[in-house]
Amino acid sequence: DQQVKQNSPSLSVQEGRISILNCDYTNSMFDYFLWYKKYPAEGPTFLISISSIKDKNEDGRFTVFLNKSAKHLSLHIVPSQPGDSAVYFCAVQNAGGTSYGKLTFGQGTILTVHP
Amino acid sequence: DAGVTQSPTHLIKTRGQQVTLRCSPKSGHDTVSWYQQALGQGPQFIFQYYEEEERQRGNFPDRFSGHQFPNYSSELNVNALLLGDSALYLCASSFWQTSNQPQHFGDGTRLSIL
Repeated sequence: DQQVKQNSPSLSVQEGRISILNCDYTNSMFDYFLWYKKYPAEGPTFLISISSIKDKNEDGRFTVFLNKSAKHLSLHIVPSQPGDSAVYFCAVQNAGGTSYGKLTFGQGTILTVHP
Repeated sequence: DAGVTQSPTHLIKTRGQQVTLRCSPKSGHDTVSWYQQALGQGPQFIFQYYEEEERQRGNFPDRFSGHQFPNYSSELNVNALLLGDSALYLCASSFWQTSNQPQHFGDGTRLSIL
């Protein structure tokens, strides 16, 4: 039973345009949401996060949106650059309780930004 | 400031053998978590260590065990290796029970079972 789903295995965009990556989750008890980026032969690198008390968090070209009623998370990259080409994983975490610290990941979306 | 380091980078084993993977956390971090990433999938949580004790465990059999040392470094042991254990094994470190602090990952150990 997948608690976190990234339904788009891949996304291709032109340099300078917006990239939108999506993620759905099933458990309303999750209270911390993260995006990681992964290049080949490297470990996942933290990109941006948002807590359940917010609906938007921005960091430079990256913005994460959280829609709790729809249990939906999205990452916007504007403008997209060729160096953004990587696999993007959304992850969810309980900030308390017995599952504290355990990250549950989606399957990942391969983003390709064309020059 | 050293990040999370893992060794070895690659490892080839045969079915039935045993393997030990090692992880040093980011400087200052006291908690280590291990993840298994199969090809084309997201990382899956194996277990987490703090104060040299296993604090939580994912849905993995007892063949997977771990250890944390007083310097916070950690080992992942897998016994009776199966072909399905072939994967990238990732170590992540963090501060214990610090809300809204992301886990930092190493580059992983690629384990291939023949």
